Amino acid sequence: AQSVTQPDIHITVSEGASLELRCNYSYGATPYLFWYVQSPGQGLQLLLKYFSGDTLVQGIKGFEAEFKRSQSSFNLRKPSVHWSDAAEYFCAVGSTGTASKLTFGTGTRLQVTL
Amino acid sequence: DAGVIQSPRHEVTEMGQEVTLRCKPISGHNSLFWYRQTMMRGLELLIYFNNNVPIDDSGMPEDRFSAKMPNASFSTLKIQPSEPRDSAVYFCASSLAHGGTAYEQYFGPGTRLTVT
Repeated sequence: AQSVTQPDIHITVSEGASLELRCNYSYGATPYLFWYVQSPGQGLQLLLKYFSGDTLVQGIKGFEAEFKRSQSSFNLRKPSVHWSDAAEYFCAVGSTGTASKLTFGTGTRLQVTL
Repeated sequence: DAGVIQSPRHEVTEMGQEVTLRCKPISGHNSLFWYRQTMMRGLELLIYFNNNVPIDDSGMPEDRFSAKMPNASFSTLKIQPSEPRDSAVYFCASSLAHGGTAYEQYFGPGTRLTVT
């Protein structure tokens, strides 16, 4: 069965500092990987996705993520965080075949200090 | 383009009442998912449909919960009777699946349900 682990429940960074959110997955085949962001009172918004090819993927709002098969990781990064990035971030892994669903991690809440 | 539409956005009801949540997926999408989000349990997949057919309802907590998708543009999640522990935010999401492979899901704004 597929699973996702986000080891950091809560992270605080200063505005302008760099950010890395960790995500580790468990899946037997080549995974489809996603990062979503949820602002308070909002639904989840897709930041970026990895299906195949280049292991460094670019997303919206200046975010990027790198797929590392050897480490089963798909960490999210941003070189300079803005106060508006404060939100909850979810990593997800997708399956192939008829069980076409995403498995989400428990989320990492990002706080940005000014 | 219109995203996933959910109604109502907020619902307050008394214990024992029937609650119906509605979802309109993105036009052309063939998979639809219902999730529940709470502080204690996080984001849980309740049920999902592919081409209007329920594929996996193993996340539906009890028989009090039921979901239907009568056509490609509409789905409902019903709770009858509702209980205070059903209080949560319920999200609907849709995606376009090719050959059964999962692709990105697009989420609606959610329905915040409060059962008193």
